[in-house]
Amino acid sequence: KAGVTQTPRYLIKTRGQQVTLSCSPISGHRSVSWYQQTPGQGLQFLFEYFSETQRNKGNFPGRFSGRQFSNSRSEMNVSTLELGDSALYLCASRWNRGNEQYFGPGTRLTVT
Amino acid sequence: AQKITQTQPGMFVQEKEAVTLDCTYDTSDPSYGLFWYKQPSSGEMIFLIYQGSYDQQNATEGRYSLNFQKARKSANLVISASQLGDSAMYFCAMREYSGGSNYKLTFGKGTLLTVNP
Repeated sequence: KAGVTQTPRYLIKTRGQQVTLSCSPISGHRSVSWYQQTPGQGLQFLFEYFSETQRNKGNFPGRFSGRQFSNSRSEMNVSTLELGDSALYLCASRWNRGNEQYFGPGTRLTVT
Repeated sequence: AQKITQTQPGMFVQEKEAVTLDCTYDTSDPSYGLFWYKQPSSGEMIFLIYQGSYDQQNATEGRYSLNFQKARKSANLVISASQLGDSAMYFCAMREYSGGSNYKLTFGKGTLLTVNP
């Protein structure tokens, strides 16, 4: 079974631009979560989607948004990028009744 | 207050020896789950082991075992017979179930494990 895939793997953007990251979960997994990882703040939860609905949201500004499609694929969008948004963005999926989340390889975003 | 505390920023171990990575947690939720993930330099988080708060036995997965001491709120990861490929960052994480079906992991700061030949 294929794992969680994320595209693109690397991205360089300029301050003020917006960016969209994509995540395809493991087949059959309908829950998709997003996390931001930075050296200073560590791993922080962004949001979780299930059946196209956002079920849970972390403490991030409204510039961070996401959505989930009917095939469970998810996208997250960051508008008006700031230097502090430079991070590794990790997507994870799980079977709804399962405990474990399985992570993708991440998208490394650099904002200049 | 930190919910997950990993007090060892870095650990060194000789190949083939066992190593324990510490994790303490803080929650008032009677129902919770504890996880350990491994993150190699490539960046991908690899699930290692899970322990539920009501599980009577300590979880084991191959060379990984979780030393769960509920009263002390600790969930230490034990890696037996270390291998060079075990060199990586290790994260302890917790899910609190009071949110019902909501799923959110809270992570510790991590421990960087280096296995020496």
